[in-house]
Amino acid sequence: KAGVTQTPRYLIKTRGQQVTLSCSPISGHRSVSWYQQTPGQGLQFLFEYFSETQRNKGNFPGRFSGRQFSNSRSEMNVSTLELGDSALYLCARDPTENTQYFGPGTRLTVL
Amino acid sequence: AQSVAQPEDQVNVAEGNPLTVKCTYSVSGNPYLFWYVQYPNRGLQFLLKYITGDNLVKGSYGFEAEFNKSQTSFHLKKPSALVSDSALYFCAVRDGSGGSYIPTFGRGTSLIVHP
Repeated sequence: KAGVTQTPRYLIKTRGQQVTLSCSPISGHRSVSWYQQTPGQGLQFLFEYFSETQRNKGNFPGRFSGRQFSNSRSEMNVSTLELGDSALYLCARDPTENTQYFGPGTRLTVL
Repeated sequence: AQSVAQPEDQVNVAEGNPLTVKCTYSVSGNPYLFWYVQYPNRGLQFLLKYITGDNLVKGSYGFEAEFNKSQTSFHLKKPSALVSDSALYFCAVRDGSGGSYIPTFGRGTSLIVHP
């Protein structure tokens, strides 16, 4: 119904490693945004992509990066993982003034 | 800088009673306001938005929100609460004037509806 698939659903990594998360909106939806949700910081906007271009970026260090492919699929990468990167990472399609649809999220645990 | 305050960590209401979840905001330009709901172990769901126009906005699942510019508030309401409305609710704001999409979220309010 949401039309957003996120993989993997759960992930465990260790400090210093890097991770790549994937988000696939249903075909034809060119806008994708990413969010981080943690108990301490709450919900925070990471970045938004539209037609393969990053349009907006939240206040996150350069270790957080992303990209979008021509088929609208998006990837988010976090390098040199820290314990504080443990979070639920959410992806949404159509993050404009229209209705947003979120994926189920990827739960990342950094040990 | 923009900000959102949800002054109540938790709201308790009996089933069938009206509910209100409070949200106040601060933004330098035109406020674009949003409400989201998160059910346990599930992702986020969009409820409603205010961009412009009528101050009373109707959304999904019977929820509505009232934009009050003078009080800089955007409270979420529902005339008759259901047990199934129990969830975490987030308010968000972004500046609609500057072209930047970046939203700021409140800390969330846990709504508990008692049978």
